[in-house]
Amino acid sequence: AQTVTQSQPEMSVQEAETVTLSCTYDTSESDYYLFWYKQPPSRQMILVIRQEAYKQQNATENRFSVNFQKAAKSFSLKISDSQLGDAAMYFCAYRSEYGGSQGNLIFGKGTKLSVKP
Amino acid sequence: ETGVTQSPTHLIKTRGQQVTLRCSSQSGHNTVSWYQQALGQGPQFIFQYYREEENGRGNFPPRFSGLQFPNYSSELNVNALELDDSALYLCASSFGRGTEAFFGQGTRLTVV
Repeated sequence: AQTVTQSQPEMSVQEAETVTLSCTYDTSESDYYLFWYKQPPSRQMILVIRQEAYKQQNATENRFSVNFQKAAKSFSLKISDSQLGDAAMYFCAYRSEYGGSQGNLIFGKGTKLSVKP
Repeated sequence: ETGVTQSPTHLIKTRGQQVTLRCSSQSGHNTVSWYQQALGQGPQFIFQYYREEENGRGNFPPRFSGLQFPNYSSELNVNALELDDSALYLCASSFGRGTEAFFGQGTRLTVV
């Protein structure tokens, strides 16, 4: 079974600075997707960025980028120029592309990010 | 905001009762997944419905059941509620099983 581990329960960053959130996962599959979701106090999960396992190039979305290390099964999120609105819970998630597991997300326990003005 | 809406937003039930949670999927989406998020935890997959059929289930007992309707909206039913069922229940819709999922704002269920 696949697992996702986020080893940082809480992180803090100064406004305008850069922060990196860590995520590791375990799988025997070769084809999958990885995601970072943001969950603000409003509770709605918002997709931040996604990475397809077969793509070697790291995904980037504006101030958000990932460092995807497939062999090490590591998937970290870097937030540049942090803003107050970035404060939220961040979840790393895995999605299989095989069989009956296709489509369901496996989440880590989350990292609570605080942004200091 | 996504086009996924859930109702109600909050609910309090007594142990042993039954509850029904509702999810209206985003326009054009035919797949709905349900997740349970306990306090301080990441969401856990309950089950998924694709074109009105259950299509994958997580490690949840049979008292968790669901439906998907012809308009692709969905219900989550939980029978014989237990205190541990207290959680945020999230619904996510997508077009097809392996495409991007859009989440609703969740239903906060408290069992007393």
